[in-house]
Amino acid sequence: QVQLVQSGAEVKKPGASVKVSCKASGYTFTSYDINWVRQTTGQGLEWMGWMNPSSGNTGYAQRFQGRVTMTRNTSISTAYMELTSLTSEDAAVYYCATGESYCDRWGQGTLVTVSS
Amino acid sequence: DIVMTQSPDSLAVSLGERATINCKSSQSVLYSSNNKNYLAWYQQKPGQPPKLLIYWASTRESGVPDRFSGSGSGTDFTLTISSLLAEDVAVYYCHQFYTTPWTFGQGTKVEIE
Repeated sequence: QVQLVQSGAEVKKPGASVKVSCKASGYTFTSYDINWVRQTTGQGLEWMGWMNPSSGNTGYAQRFQGRVTMTRNTSISTAYMELTSLTSEDAAVYYCATGESYCDRWGQGTLVTVSS
Repeated sequence: DIVMTQSPDSLAVSLGERATINCKSSQSVLYSSNNKNYLAWYQQKPGQPPKLLIYWASTRESGVPDRFSGSGSGTDFTLTISSLLAEDVAVYYCHQFYTTPWTFGQGTKVEIE
């Protein structure tokens, strides 16, 4: 079955960067875009951007432009999301999600804590 | 950006009763060329990722119980749980995938009365 498995929780200091991985299985990795969505504690869902695993093309939400980079390694069916210059406001659960048009499969989430 | 506004923010419903959640988008999410509304509903329980319930505004995802239904078009949408079960306690989100940036409603918390 389609599965997205994300890397484990991270603790980062303000100003640092974090890179989260998302390993896909059960389908052809290059078939569907990978989206990244984050959820701050007690808050709602915020879309960060998308990546086409086949071409490597990306599109980022304006508020993350310049701070986020989405990449992939097709040989191991894994997508990555790197966020730089972390502040306390970046503390959140980060999800990867995929699907043909809408996202019907989500990773389990990666908790990123930002603390000095 | 398309703003998605849900109402109410929370509601308490008795077991077996109907729960209705509304979602309004700041602009239409109906794509005229295929007559599809680019609107989905998700259920999220604590510690879990969102689970897709409904897409194209009214198509139930495989495996989702038929007590869940979606309706609406253009800018106004509704998620209905026809007969609430204890397992339906969760936060529900509407989501537009019509255009980037994709956006979500603020969520509606459903509890048992």
